Amino acid sequence: ELKVEQNPLFLSMQEGKNYTIYCNYSTTSDRLYWYRQDPGKSLESLFVLLSNGAVKQEGRLMASLDTKARLSTLHITAAVHDLSATYFCAVDIKNYGGSQGNLIFGKGTKLSVKP
Amino acid sequence: SQTIHQWPATLVQPVGSPLSLECTVEGTSNPNLYWYRQAAGRGLQLLFYSVGIGQISSEVPQNLSASRPQDRQFILSSKKLLLSDSGFYLCAWSVGTRASYEQYFGPGTRLTVT
Repeated sequence: ELKVEQNPLFLSMQEGKNYTIYCNYSTTSDRLYWYRQDPGKSLESLFVLLSNGAVKQEGRLMASLDTKARLSTLHITAAVHDLSATYFCAVDIKNYGGSQGNLIFGKGTKLSVKP
Repeated sequence: SQTIHQWPATLVQPVGSPLSLECTVEGTSNPNLYWYRQAAGRGLQLLFYSVGIGQISSEVPQNLSASRPQDRQFILSSKKLLLSDSGFYLCAWSVGTRASYEQYFGPGTRLTVT
């Protein structure tokens, strides 16, 4: 069974601290996506990781992909309140026999950054 | 540039009533289209996807159906809503390339079944 597991599911952290969110998946895939969702809003694309060893950075967020370990990380540096949101990773299952561009999403990590 | 629209934005419907949610995409041709549902505080569940007009694939058996009458229009329907159909419905599109099928999401429809 194809699984995409994120941890932690809930994360409360103080401003200025660093932390990492993990995304493990159970099938071979070399395409992984990170999305952000603010409360009551839709999903916003953050990062597209398309190969083993891919690393992308935007502001205080950095995402990486290790396809051999089937693991992606989203690292938060010096968190600020504006980063409070739910973060989803999604794995492209095309290589799993799925049709074009089917994504399997993790359950999301709800991040709360407190002053 | 590409944009995706969904309507209505919010909807309150009684159990047993019909449903029709609409999604349209502008600025691209022959997109892949998707319907997701997100229950309160939960992750995303893929309901349907379509790679072309009249081509619909269902991921989860349920009382919902989807149709794609035009290239950039995707409709989610039900004949009789259940309480468990409540949730946040998101439409998404992608353009398939060999490199990536990154999906772009619409603003969503919040459905409450009473």
